[in-house]
Amino acid sequence: EAGVAQSPRYKIIEKRQSVAFWCNPISGHATLYWYQQILGQGPKLLIQFQNNGVVDDSQLPKDRFSAERLKGVDSTLKIQPAKLEDSAVYLCASSLDEIGRGAHNEQFFGPGTRLTVL
Amino acid sequence: GQNIDQPTEMTATEGAIVQINCTYQTSGFNGLFWYQQHAGEAPTFLSYNVLDGLEEKGRFSSFLSRSKGYSYLLLKELQMKDSASYLCAVSGGYQKVTFGTGTKLQVIP
Repeated sequence: EAGVAQSPRYKIIEKRQSVAFWCNPISGHATLYWYQQILGQGPKLLIQFQNNGVVDDSQLPKDRFSAERLKGVDSTLKIQPAKLEDSAVYLCASSLDEIGRGAHNEQFFGPGTRLTVL
Repeated sequence: GQNIDQPTEMTATEGAIVQINCTYQTSGFNGLFWYQQHAGEAPTFLSYNVLDGLEEKGRFSSFLSRSKGYSYLLLKELQMKDSASYLCAVSGGYQKVTFGTGTKLQVIP
């Protein structure tokens, strides 16, 4: 079974530039997550999708970050414009179980995109 | 809101046993995860506890006390490859998962 795919793996940009990340979750997984992980910290949830609807985006800086999940499969996360403090690893994860079905939502993570903002 | 606390760093000797604690205060609770994350890699699932008590899986065990808002991960027969960060994460309302900052474990010979 293929895992969660992310691209690019690395990206270096200058502040005020724009950048986009792509994620392809495991086939059939209903829930998709985008996390930001700053060095030495735990992953911070940016946005959570259930199929193609947003479940939680309370920690997404909406003035500069946007995300979409077209047709409930692939997802893109965009930063426009980037700031120095956006330097981090952006992790995409997916889980199988839908909300309300009761089973645990083990998350499978992609390899991440390491973003450096200069 | 969600508040998850775990020690920042721990050091243990190869072959020994180490216990990594996690305390949490959350609005809504469905269960608690432990993930392992090696440096430069993505987190990988270790365990999930819903009910109080100890869940054993090989060298790793995880304990949960819902009334105390407390969990621990127990690693036995430590190996050098166990050097990694261990993330405690709580599943709350709407299956939202909140991660702690992680405990960096260093296993020394």
